[in-house]
Amino acid sequence: DAGVIQSPRHEVTEMGQEVTLRCKLISGHNSLFWYRQTMMRGLELLIYFNNNVPIDDSGMPEDRFSAKMPNASFSTLKIQPSEPRDSAVYFCASSSMDNSQYFGPGTRLTVL
Amino acid sequence: SQKIEQNSEALNIQEGKTATLTCNYTNYSPAYLQWYRQDPGRGPVFLLLIRENEKEKRKERLKVTFDTTLKQSLFHITASQPADSATYLCALGTGGQNFVFGPGTRLSVLP
Repeated sequence: DAGVIQSPRHEVTEMGQEVTLRCKLISGHNSLFWYRQTMMRGLELLIYFNNNVPIDDSGMPEDRFSAKMPNASFSTLKIQPSEPRDSAVYFCASSSMDNSQYFGPGTRLTVL
Repeated sequence: SQKIEQNSEALNIQEGKTATLTCNYTNYSPAYLQWYRQDPGRGPVFLLLIRENEKEKRKERLKVTFDTTLKQSLFHITASQPADSATYLCALGTGGQNFVFGPGTRLSVLP
């Protein structure tokens, strides 16, 4: 298995633009997590899905952020419109029933 | 308020010694606790999980303890090697599959 796959790996955009981050889960995993990591705030959970259903989105900072899981293996995190304070590394992770999480390589987002 | 603290932002030790990292928490009642390793430019990698009814867990040179009375977990790396240099994160399982991560400790093992 290739592990969790994220794209793009790097994204540089201008303030106000829409950004879409993509994640492919490990086959057979039924939970997906989106995290954001910054030096100031560390690793923060944004939202997680279980069996394609959003369970907890209390970490989503604002309505500008939205996440979808259209099928069992794929998810997107969208920021519209993006702002400079959204600059961070965004990680996707998947897990199965044993609660250990497998993280993707992350997307480094820079909003100018 | 709820808080997770890891002993120090950075820890330097000599090769061959045992590294001990601390994770303390306040106002949480985790059912389990996990430790992850993160290398620069990469995502965290799962190392160990310990449940609230377990005192100790081992995996090769790694040992984790979990004291729910002290609200503390200790993470030990014995016979440390320069390749163990990384940031180590603890994560509390707070219910279902909800996790809260600590700020991490950056470990440097000096040859």
